[in-house]
Amino acid sequence: AQTVTQSQPEMSVQEAETVTLSCTYDTSESDYYLFWYKQPPSRQMILVIRQEAYKQQNATENRFSVNFQKAAKSFSLKISDSQLGDAAMYFCAYRSEYIMNYGGSQGNLIFGKGTKLSVKP
Amino acid sequence: NAGVTQTPKFRILKIGQSMTLQCAQDMNHNYMYWYRQDPGMGLKLIYYSVGAGITDKGEVPNGYNVSRSTTEYFPLRLELAAPSQTSVYFCASSYSGQQGNTQYFGPGTRLTVL
Repeated sequence: AQTVTQSQPEMSVQEAETVTLSCTYDTSESDYYLFWYKQPPSRQMILVIRQEAYKQQNATENRFSVNFQKAAKSFSLKISDSQLGDAAMYFCAYRSEYIMNYGGSQGNLIFGKGTKLSVKP
Repeated sequence: NAGVTQTPKFRILKIGQSMTLQCAQDMNHNYMYWYRQDPGMGLKLIYYSVGAGITDKGEVPNGYNVSRSTTEYFPLRLELAAPSQTSVYFCASSYSGQQGNTQYFGPGTRLTVL
């Protein structure tokens, strides 16, 4: 079974600086998707960025980028120029591509326990 | 599009009571999911559906039931509520095709069982 581990329960960053959140995962599959979701105090789950395992290029979305190391099964999130609005819980999640392509009936996300990010003004 | 909507936002139940959490999506997604999030934890899958009339259990299905009579709606039923079901419940949906691996979440329902 796949597992996702976020080893940093809490992180803090100064406004305008850069922070990196760590995520490792365990899988025997070669095709899968990885996601970072943000959960602000409103509890809404907001997709930040996603990465397809077959792509070597790291995904980027404005100030958010990932460092995807497939061999090491590592998927860290870098937030540049941190803003007060970035303060939230961040969840790393895994989803199997195999299940989707073969019309499988699951395709659910497997989540880590989250990292609480604080941004200091 | 409203996306994924959930009602109610908050609910307090007494032990042994029953209720239905409502979920609707207007994106014509065929996959829908119910997750629960306990304090300090990530989300865990309760039930999922790959289309109208088709549902299956996830990781933590005990104490819950679902139905999917239409593409748009995916209600979650709690029978005989217990304190262990105190949690935040999220509904999500996605397509099933190549572009369908991104799940879109509703705002959540905070349920307390006393």
